[in-house]
Amino acid sequence: AQSVAQPEDQVNVAEGNPLTVKCTYSVSGNPYLFWYVQYPNRGLQFLLKYITGDNLVKGSYGFEAEFNKSQTSFHLKKPSALVSDSALYFCAVRPSSGSARQLTFGSGTQLTVLP
Amino acid sequence: NAGVTQTPKFRILKIGQSMTLQCTQDMNHNYMYWYRQDPGMGLKLIYYSVGAGITDKGEVPNGYNVSRSTTEDFPLRLELAAPSQTSVYFCASSRDSSNQPQHFGDGTRLSIL
Repeated sequence: AQSVAQPEDQVNVAEGNPLTVKCTYSVSGNPYLFWYVQYPNRGLQFLLKYITGDNLVKGSYGFEAEFNKSQTSFHLKKPSALVSDSALYFCAVRPSSGSARQLTFGSGTQLTVLP
Repeated sequence: NAGVTQTPKFRILKIGQSMTLQCTQDMNHNYMYWYRQDPGMGLKLIYYSVGAGITDKGEVPNGYNVSRSTTEDFPLRLELAAPSQTSVYFCASSRDSSNQPQHFGDGTRLSIL
């Protein structure tokens, strides 16, 4: 069975500093990996995905994520955090040979950017 | 661009009552999904559909039913509401079953008292 771990329930960072939100996964075969963001009282919004190719993936709002196959990780990063980045972030994984119904979400990490 | 629209946004039910959560999308997506989100638990798949007339169970289907008579609409039915069904429900859609991201509605917050 596949799984996603987001080891930090809460991440605090000062505005202007780099941020990292961690994600590790377990899946049979090659993974499709996704990051979503959720603002209060809103649905999840897609940020970026890793399918194949370059291990560094760039996405919306200046976010990027690095796929590390040996460490089975897909950490979300941003060089300079904004207060408006404060939100709940979800990592998700599914096997590349599977279907979209097999998308498994992590439990989420609440990011707070302090002014 | 409406995307995925869910109604109602909030609802309080009494134990044993029934209701239908509505979901419609205007992106002509074949795949649609219903998730529930509980605090600290991520999202769990309730039901999904790969096209009009085709539905299947997800991870936590008990107590729910769905139908898909059109491409646009995917309602979720609670027949006998129970306190364990208190949650936030999200509908999502995607173009197909490949690597395309899912598009989410803003959710229905449901309390069963």
